[in-house]
Amino acid sequence: GAGVSQTPSNKVTEKGKYVELRCDPISGHTALYWYRQSLGQGPEFLIYFQGTGAADDSGLPNDRFFAVRPEGSVSTLKIQRTERGDSAVYLCASSIHRMNTQYFGPGTRLTVL
Amino acid sequence: KNEVEQSPQNLTAQEGEFITINCSYSVGISALHWLQQHPGGGIVSLFMLSSGKKKHGRLIATINIQEKHSSLHITASHPRDSAVYICAVETYNNNDMRFGAGTRLTVKP
Repeated sequence: GAGVSQTPSNKVTEKGKYVELRCDPISGHTALYWYRQSLGQGPEFLIYFQGTGAADDSGLPNDRFFAVRPEGSVSTLKIQRTERGDSAVYLCASSIHRMNTQYFGPGTRLTVL
Repeated sequence: KNEVEQSPQNLTAQEGEFITINCSYSVGISALHWLQQHPGGGIVSLFMLSSGKKKHGRLIATINIQEKHSSLHITASHPRDSAVYICAVETYNNNDMRFGAGTRLTVKP
């Protein structure tokens, strides 16, 4: 069956612009996670959704970052006024429930010029 | 000090060798994950453990909750095992996952 998909696979933008990154989880997975991985580092937690609600957004670095999951399926990570330090691979993962194996998407590579 | 420490950072082995990667953590956890990240960047979940030992093919993962330590073993290593192996823990009180820095494994033919 289909795994977790993320679009776009690559995004190049200019400093100060707004970007949206999309994650399509595996069908039926109630838990959805966003992570960010900077070059040469391990992934870093951003936000976790259980259903439609953000159960934990403690990893979002500042208020320029926001994520939604309005129907409990697809999620969008939104970054306002992008900065060069936002350049990273943004990874999405989903699991059936919180305590189950997470399945990762291929990531979106964001480059802020 | 990082909450999740992995060792070694880099590991080079000859094909066929038995490989061990270690992970120590300092927080209370509800589960520990071993992940594999290939050069293209894709991440695959290998194991999720909360106690004991799990085996999948040539991969074995163990965890000692009392000692806050886990190991990932690869038997009869192969060049296709070359990847970065990441240890991650789900903290007991929170919903987030804390990651180790990863161990870069290179298996030479």
